[in-house]
Amino acid sequence: GAVVSQHPSWVICKSGTSVKIECRSLDFQATTMFWYRQFPKQSLMLMATSNEGSKATYEQGVEKDKFLINHASLTLSTLTVTSAHPEDSSFYICSASDRVAETQYFGPGTRLLVL
Amino acid sequence: QQQVKQSPQSLIVQKGGISIINCAYENTAFDYFPWYQQFPGKGPALLIAIRPDVSEKKEGRFTISFNKSAKQFSLHIMDSQPGDSATYFCAASSPNTGNQFYFGTGTSLTVIP
Repeated sequence: GAVVSQHPSWVICKSGTSVKIECRSLDFQATTMFWYRQFPKQSLMLMATSNEGSKATYEQGVEKDKFLINHASLTLSTLTVTSAHPEDSSFYICSASDRVAETQYFGPGTRLLVL
Repeated sequence: QQQVKQSPQSLIVQKGGISIINCAYENTAFDYFPWYQQFPGKGPALLIAIRPDVSEKKEGRFTISFNKSAKQFSLHIMDSQPGDSATYFCAASSPNTGNQFYFGTGTSLTVIP
């Protein structure tokens, strides 16, 4: 099956610093990648959708200047949380989809803790 | 507005029993309905998916039943096992919205030995 990886799986940072999370599709070309945020015992909240080579489309209420998304290749997308604050602490999950299969394959997630 | 409504919020089933989780949707443009299984601290994993042109799809112990006229679909887990204890999410998507997934609120399933 399609495999999506995320790195790092865990990150702790100080308030005010920036954190970059990588999402890679390992065995398929991901024309579209999605970034989600998930709070404990809650559903997945879509943050943004990115298509390779295009600017990401952000959901209402998501600050594009705070959550920078880059989808420079068909196998890699990155999410950078800029000037992170404790309220940004969360579980961030990416997913990837190729043009043929409309389903989304999820990465293992990244736990971010901002102190 | 919740595009996909999921119930129950939590479910406790005896080992060997049948677990049933229900979802309902309003948007008739939805044409793809996947179910995901998520263990604590992990990303969701695709379990099974269905399109509206079939009423049922079975893969091992997992079955999706789909009722197009009622705009409802459900996941049945036969012979439930303790290892099935996880959170299950239904979702729906449509090409009209760039195949964005609209997720249900999730069901926490506990299978007791």
